[in-house]
Parts: sequence; structure tokens; C-alpha cells
Amino acid sequence: DAGVTQSPTHLIKTRGQQVTLRCSPKSGHDTVSWYQQALGQGPQFIFQYYEEEERQRGNFPDRFSGHQFPNYSSELNVNALLLGDSALYLCASLWGRRLGTEAFFGQGTRLTVV
Amino acid sequence: GENVEQHPSTLSVQEGDSAVIKCTYSDSASNYFPWYKQELGKRPQLIIDIRSNVGEKKDQRIAVTLNKTAKHFSLHITETQPEDSAVYFCATHNTGGGNKLTFGTGTQLKVEL
Repeated sequence: DAGVTQSPTHLIKTRGQQVTLRCSPKSGHDTVSWYQQALGQGPQFIFQYYEEEERQRGNFPDRFSGHQFPNYSSELNVNALLLGDSALYLCASLWGRRLGTEAFFGQGTRLTVV
Repeated sequence: GENVEQHPSTLSVQEGDSAVIKCTYSDSASNYFPWYKQELGKRPQLIIDIRSNVGEKKDQRIAVTLNKTAKHFSLHITETQPEDSAVYFCATHNTGGGNKLTFGTGTQLKVEL
């Protein structure tokens, strides 16, 4: 049983560019959340997708957008990259949208903006 | 919004000693409290969690205690081993307030031989 998989694992982009990160949830999971983890910090909630819709959003600007596909996989898009967007981006999946059961995290995508 | 404070930021113990990490939270409606372990370059992994209707939960060498009145919860690791060295994050969730986890800032635990 594959866990949560994310791609790519590492990425270097130039300030002002756009980036797309991908996530495949754990088998049987239908809900995907995205988190940003800056160096030395805890993960910060970006948004959550369920039934192909954004259900909840954290304190992130509109430059951060996402999508969920019918197979439950998800993308995170960041436009007009800033140096401060450099971080580890984590995807977490769970079943049934509501927490109280374990959220499984992927390995993350390390984004470096130069 | 919800705020979670975690202490200490770094903790060094001798192998076999106990380690305690403490978190306080601000949202009194929080009702789910997981702890994650993150080894260098790896994904956060759930090691134990507790719900608001329980005061304490234990799993082998790991235990979590919750004081809802004081709004704090703690992770206790006994008989520490070198493989316990990692960053530990506490988190909170309010099932009535959405679906996000709010994380603490992490504790770097180092178990020395």
C-alpha cells in the first residue's frame, strides 16, 4: 500500500516564476491538505481539498491555489514566487475530511526560490 | 486564530533518561491533539494522539497527558534511545472549526550516548 507521494522532491525556481507541486494521497483517502514548513518551524496550513473543492484556507495569499482531481490527487500552484516562499511543502491525506483520525504526510517538496 | 506554543525548542538527554515536551494552546474548543516525529529529511509521522475526553494515553515508552482546564498537553518519552533523536511537533485541532492542524514550533530532541 503506497503512502502519500509527492513530486518533485526538490525544485529550484527564480523569483517571479510559477510552480506546480503534486500529491497523490494514501490509498483509500479522499481528502488532501497542504502545509508549508519553513526551516526550523512547524508546518503551516495552506488549504484543504475534498470532493474537488477547496474546503478551508489558512492565512496564505491568493498566489497560492490548488486543485483536486477525481482520483483524489492534488496540485498546489504558487504564482509570482517570492524568496520567502522557499520552504518544504507537505501534503497530508486523510479519509472523510474531518480530523480525529490520522493524517498521513508525504515526504514533501523542497522549494528553493532564488 | 489558534496559537500553539511548544517548549523547549531544544532538549538534550542522556540515553535511558526521560524527556518531556510541553505545549499550550489558545483555542478552548480544540479537541484532538496529535504528536508528530520528524527525522531529518523525512516526513512527519504520528507517534501518539489524544482526544479531549481522555486525560492520559500511553503507548509503550511514549505517553501524552492533557489538561483541558489549563489548556496544555505534554509528551513524555521514557528510557530514551538514540533513535528517538528527531524534531517533535505538537498540534491541535478543533473539529468544529475546520480541518486544519495547528502546529507548535517543534522541539529538537537529542539523545546522547
